[in-house]
Amino acid sequence: DTEVTQTPKHLVMGMTNKKSLKCEQHMGHRAMYWYKQKAKKPPELMFVYSYEKLSINESVPSRFSPECPNSSLLNLHLHALQPEDSALYLCASSQESDLETQYFGPGTRLLVL
Amino acid sequence: GIQVEQSPPDLILQEGANSTLRCNFSDSVNNLQWFHQNPWGQLINLFYIPSGTKQNGRLSATTVATERYSLLYISSSQTTDSGVYFCAVLEYGNKLVFGAGTILRVKS
Repeated sequence: DTEVTQTPKHLVMGMTNKKSLKCEQHMGHRAMYWYKQKAKKPPELMFVYSYEKLSINESVPSRFSPECPNSSLLNLHLHALQPEDSALYLCASSQESDLETQYFGPGTRLLVL
Repeated sequence: GIQVEQSPPDLILQEGANSTLRCNFSDSVNNLQWFHQNPWGQLINLFYIPSGTKQNGRLSATTVATERYSLLYISSSQTTDSGVYFCAVLEYGNKLVFGAGTILRVKS
């Protein structure tokens, strides 16, 4: 099983709302990632968690707050977003080694009004 | 940081035709992956290929690490092959850097 699941599939939120994106994997992977993809652009890394600890933050604004409650779950908490934050948010996971494949979830399409 | 360039940026094929997509990278890598992003946004793993050649059905890939390029071959293309093909390499700490992608449209 190489499945990464994400919920919700679509999300519309206002600039004053607080929402969360969820990601789950049951492959025993110890590294999990959040990527952001704007239309007609490649995915860009936001955060990396390794063994449930934040190891990379690519200078992401604080209105995005990641959380890794356990080795299978990854959340992205959203607060006071801007319309330019509208994008496809992709979660991925992999074994810890950098010689391993990253597997991606189907993504959450976020629209900020 | 590492630079990843893909060519061509766009490609239109008639169903049944063959094609070659190219990925050049600016530094040595030990992790290179090819992905297909379907129209719904799902990134599908095609190959993990830091070096050598692999085949999977109508798709095959070759990476020549010493010359810093990788090729993805699609044979007998089908309309379901349409989408965006990304090459991605590992920069550091599990950070994948993606190329800009090749948009493929296969016409019936």
